[in-house]
Amino acid sequence: SQQGEEDPQALSIQEGENATMNCSYKTSINNLQWYRQNSGRGLVHLILIRSNEREKHSGRLRVTLDTSKKSSSLLITASRAADTASYFCANAGGTSYGKLTFGQGTILTVHP
Amino acid sequence: NAGVMQNPRHLVRRRGQEARLRCSPMKGHSHVYWYRQLPEEGLKFMVYLQKENIIDESGMPKERFSAEFPKEGPSILRIQQVVRGDSAAYFCASSPKDSLSSGNTIYFGEGSWLTVV
Repeated sequence: SQQGEEDPQALSIQEGENATMNCSYKTSINNLQWYRQNSGRGLVHLILIRSNEREKHSGRLRVTLDTSKKSSSLLITASRAADTASYFCANAGGTSYGKLTFGQGTILTVHP
Repeated sequence: NAGVMQNPRHLVRRRGQEARLRCSPMKGHSHVYWYRQLPEEGLKFMVYLQKENIIDESGMPKERFSAEFPKEGPSILRIQQVVRGDSAAYFCASSPKDSLSSGNTIYFGEGSWLTVV
């Protein structure tokens, strides 16, 4: 069964607006991570939030984690055209190593 | 400090041929992971290797796929007798240690895009 599902599947906004993407997961987690992937490229690690954290900031990124609802959200503030990419959440479940379960991703398009 | 290096970046194979994908982890990293991304899907874990050992291959198809990480040289993902359904992007990642629980991340390469014709 699919673990880690993002919504929306696609999001289209104007430059300067905020973008919010959500992620749900089914297993227990050690931490949850967000990645960005530009078309035809590899994954870039954005931010990691641990299971005992509720919110984390990094530049224009804000991630929240609600373990009771098994969900996380990624907020990109003041979006730019360069933020156009696919965004994935991933969790390691109960393992201590890099066996990550990825969601299907949200395709974000930021129009200049 | 070079990142995770994968080659080839693009590979075209005819049905029935073999595909070999190589991955050199970041300097100082001894843990390698392979993931597969089918078109318009997220990444799926395939295998986790340390030098000369396969630690977790729970995501590897039972047939035609194999992986190794020898004492010297890159990690190799080998697909024998490729079929059209093997067309995908194959990503390698590495980490310096195996503990994600302490907040260590894994670092991905740019991927190898396999097309089976």
